[in-house]
Amino acid sequence: SQTIHQWPATLVQPVGSPLSLECTVEGTSNPNLYWYRQAAGRGLQLLFYSVGIGQISSEVPQNLSASRPQDRQFILSSKKLLLSDSGFYLCAWSPVYGYTFGSGTRLTVV
Amino acid sequence: GENVEQHPSTLSVQEGDSAVIKCTYSDSASNYFPWYKQELGKRPQLIIDIRSNVGEKKDQRIAVTLNKTAKHFSLHITETQPEDSAVYFCAAGTYKYIFGTGTRLKVLA
Repeated sequence: SQTIHQWPATLVQPVGSPLSLECTVEGTSNPNLYWYRQAAGRGLQLLFYSVGIGQISSEVPQNLSASRPQDRQFILSSKKLLLSDSGFYLCAWSPVYGYTFGSGTRLTVV
Repeated sequence: GENVEQHPSTLSVQEGDSAVIKCTYSDSASNYFPWYKQELGKRPQLIIDIRSNVGEKKDQRIAVTLNKTAKHFSLHITETQPEDSAVYFCAAGTYKYIFGTGTRLKVLA
């Protein structure tokens, strides 16, 4: 069966520090992969999606970037975090229809 | 750009009553409409979905209806229970989904 792993679960980072969140999927090949952000008490905002290795589409211009170095690995990065980057970051994968979300990373920028 | 509107933002019902959450979408190319339930501090979980070639789908106490002409779809929960209390999100899209802003459902015992 397919599983999705996301880490770390929580992260507290100072303003201006770098960020790296990792997501991996097991049990499938060539999945569509997604990064969403959820601000406190808000909806889910699509940040990036990828339909294959090295293929990244950005939905919202900001100081975040994404990379897909391997088929089942999706990484969210930032060179310098802003206070507004705080939120609940969710990785998701999709076979054809529907998402399965990872357990999420709660990022607090202080 | 694509947009999904969801109403109401909060909904309180008595246990045993029905709850209805409504969404509208803007992208006419959307062909898949999932609904997610999110409990506090947890990831969203898919509870039901519908594709554009179907007008209605039911799974026990949960049903979803779709009106493609009007670009509306709705979630219906019957015989609500306290464990139904959560935030519910609708979404619409093809291979990527735009989410509504969520409905906080409270089922009062």
